[in-house]
Amino acid sequence: EAQVTQNPRYLITVTGKKLTVTCSQNMNHEYMSWYRQDPGLGLRQIYYSMNVEVTDKGDVPEGYKVSRKEKRNFPLILESPSPNQTSLYFCASSFKGGQFPYEQYFGPGTRLTVT
Amino acid sequence: SQQGEEDPQALSIQEGENATMNCSYKTSINNLQWYRQNSGRGLVHLILIRSNEREKHSGRLRVTLDTSKKSSSLLITASRAADTASYFCATDDNNDMRFGAGTRLTVKP
Repeated sequence: EAQVTQNPRYLITVTGKKLTVTCSQNMNHEYMSWYRQDPGLGLRQIYYSMNVEVTDKGDVPEGYKVSRKEKRNFPLILESPSPNQTSLYFCASSFKGGQFPYEQYFGPGTRLTVT
Repeated sequence: SQQGEEDPQALSIQEGENATMNCSYKTSINNLQWYRQNSGRGLVHLILIRSNEREKHSGRLRVTLDTSKKSSSLLITASRAADTASYFCATDDNNDMRFGAGTRLTVKP
């Protein structure tokens, strides 16, 4: 089954404790992306990757890191989480049509709470 | 910053009625996409319309795009209770994907 998986689905942590949210897709997609969703703000892009070893900042990259060492995986790293990073996080992937991403497939989301 | 902005923020209709949602955006685009989200779950792609297209259909969905006005509309015909969800438009600003805040649609049985 074609899918994007994220782990963990729920996480409660404390300020400053490094964490990683994993994302994996089995569709051989070139493009992968991380979003955060906050009430009233819709989805905001954190980072995206056009292919292996190619990553770029989205709208809200501060406080986050990513890596793309393999095509299927795109982990999101919070080196020192803060309460303002409490949010619902989504990973997504798509084929890249020419230069631009096509329809995106979203993971089920990770609800992160930082106390 | 958000690119797309949906209007209205919330819409409540009776089953069988049509629902129209609008999206406005600020910069030039390559394509515009509409997504649906059931509460707290991942988004599901509905339809993509390219910048050189004016209208597209998929089942009960009809999307229009007016690049001169930088706006798009999503029409859901003969709505069903199962269409209750949030709907988002998304535009690509080069490879950045920008989503609006969404329209919350409630379809009453």
